[in-house]
Amino acid sequence: DAGVIQSPRHEVTEMGQEVTLRCKPISGHDYLFWYRQTMMRGLELLIYFNNNVPIDDSGMPEDRFSAKMPNASFSTLKIQPSEPRDSAVYFCASSPDSPTNYGYTFGSGTRLTVV
Amino acid sequence: AQTVTQSQPEMSVQEAETVTLSCTYDTSESDYYLFWYKQPPSRQMILVIRQEAYKQQNATENRFSVNFQKAAKSFSLKISDSQLGDAAMYFCSLEYGNKLVFGAGTILRVKS
Repeated sequence: DAGVIQSPRHEVTEMGQEVTLRCKPISGHDYLFWYRQTMMRGLELLIYFNNNVPIDDSGMPEDRFSAKMPNASFSTLKIQPSEPRDSAVYFCASSPDSPTNYGYTFGSGTRLTVV
Repeated sequence: AQTVTQSQPEMSVQEAETVTLSCTYDTSESDYYLFWYKQPPSRQMILVIRQEAYKQQNATENRFSVNFQKAAKSFSLKISDSQLGDAAMYFCSLEYGNKLVFGAGTILRVKS
């Protein structure tokens, strides 16, 4: 398996623009997580899905952020409009069933820079 | 609230030597899981080792082992025979409710 695939690897955008980050989980994994990593706040869980259904979005910072999982093999995280403080590395991770048994498998992340 | 604290922002070790990274946590759960993740400069997060709280035996994976002290809520990582490829940021994490909460991380530098 190719692992968790995220695209793009780097994204530079101007303030106010819409940004869409993409993730393909490992086939057969039931859980999908979106994390954000910054120097100030470390790794923060934004939202997670189980069987394509959003379970907990309490970490989504504000309404400008939205996430979808239309099918088992694809998820998006969208920021509209983007702001400089959204600059961070965004990770997607997946797990086959309960993450307690396996931990997560992370993608390589998307480094987002909003100028 | 679940919290994870890594009190060492940075550590250094000589190649082939042993180093221990510290982690303490707080949780109200009696059954939980703990993990150590490695993040090299490539930025990929890699699972190093996991520990189930109900197991008293410390987990071991090759050169990596943990010292799990449940009563003290301590979960340290020991790396034996350190190699240059071990240089990375290491994150301690606690699982609760299918979610992982991470510590701030410890940068490990390996000197040749």
